[in-house]
Amino acid sequence: RKEVEQDPGPFNVPEGATVAFNCTYSNSASQSFFWYRQDCRKEPKLLMSVYSSGNEDGRFTAQLNRASQYISLLIRDSKLSDSATYLCVVNGPGGGNKLTFGTGTQLKVEL
Amino acid sequence: EPEVTQTPSHQVTQMGQEVILRCVPISNHLYFYWYRQILGQKVEFLVSFYNNEISEKSEIFDDQFSVERPDGSNFTLKIRSTKLEDSAMYFCASSEVPTRGNTEAFFGQGTRLTVV
Repeated sequence: RKEVEQDPGPFNVPEGATVAFNCTYSNSASQSFFWYRQDCRKEPKLLMSVYSSGNEDGRFTAQLNRASQYISLLIRDSKLSDSATYLCVVNGPGGGNKLTFGTGTQLKVEL
Repeated sequence: EPEVTQTPSHQVTQMGQEVILRCVPISNHLYFYWYRQILGQKVEFLVSFYNNEISEKSEIFDDQFSVERPDGSNFTLKIRSTKLEDSAMYFCASSEVPTRGNTEAFFGQGTRLTVV
């Protein structure tokens, strides 16, 4: 099983749509969870941390299910500028501060 | 907004040559990292550095690689004898001392290394 697994997409959605991405992780000892966004040939940029109770930041909502080792990201009212690759990231394995990245899910928002 | 800065943005080197990639982490951060991303692949962890020593490293980070914090601001990655397969984007990142397991890391814009 891959350490962090994501559907690579691409997800092609019209502007204004709601889109959801899922991610599963294999290391049950992971304590920190994140969604990063990466534009083509650019650095990963932190979108949001994911907390056990779920959290929201504007149009973005993240959920964590520790029992299922599953993380989700919901984007509401998607905009052209949301087009990017969304990276699911967890710390570990082995604890510590190292981050393990998924391969990313590509989102294309169209007119 | 504070940011991680990396130089150069692009480095072309001949196979077998040594390269040094440079990074200036965010000033109040104490953990520093190098990651790499081969074109079309996922971001991979190389090494983390804290309190002037390596705290963790991956299998990729073999004897050809070394890191150093030569002064109070710079953090460098050296590749002693580059191979074609070292061609990748190298990202430096930094984070504060983690609290409650939160290890938010902020990335520099990357150095694209091309080995020919």
